[in-house]
Amino acid sequence: DGGITQSPKYLFRKEGQNVTLSCEQNLNHDAMYWYRQDPGQGLRLIYYSQIVNDFQKGDIAEGYSVSREKKESFPLTVTSAQKNPTAFYLCASSIRGGGSGRNEQFFGPGTRLTVL
Amino acid sequence: EDQVTQSPEALRLQEGESSSLNCSYTVSGLRGLFWYRQDPGKGPEFLFTLYSAGEEKEKERLKATLTKKESFLHITAPKPEDSATYLCAVLATDSWGKLQFGAGTQVVVTP
Repeated sequence: DGGITQSPKYLFRKEGQNVTLSCEQNLNHDAMYWYRQDPGQGLRLIYYSQIVNDFQKGDIAEGYSVSREKKESFPLTVTSAQKNPTAFYLCASSIRGGGSGRNEQFFGPGTRLTVL
Repeated sequence: EDQVTQSPEALRLQEGESSSLNCSYTVSGLRGLFWYRQDPGKGPEFLFTLYSAGEEKEKERLKATLTKKESFLHITAPKPEDSATYLCAVLATDSWGKLQFGAGTQVVVTP
């Protein structure tokens, strides 16, 4: 059964802590994305990756870091430098990104991060 | 700068009462417009992609249409299970896969 998994579903962070959110896909998609969703706002892009070992900053990358060592995995670390990390985090993937035709992005179930 | 505006912010419908959601956009060039459905506490579920003005796509009680400036999502004879937030996103021709999302329309269908 193909899809995107995110873990954990809920995550609590203390002040000054770094936390890592997991995202795995078995769709054989080249491109992966991380978004942040806040109430009343559209999804905002944090980071994206077109291929393994390559990633680019999105609109709100400050305080976040990512890695893409495997095609199926794109973990997101929320560092202590992110001042307002409480939000719903969504991972997505697409067959490929860039200038190709197929750009539909498919989303995982999300991780809700709360700062204590 | 690319912009996507959805209206209304919220919509309350009686079961069977058809209505339309609007997504107006400003982009330098449109590669694609996407509609998603999102249930509370869950990730968005892909519905449609529209690529050019005049294109229409249908799925059950939903029909999406596209003009050069906006897209409509028509909900025909809605049922309570159609209650969700509907998100619109655009992909510009000069964008490397970055979707610009609207804030969404929250739809509640009452029996």
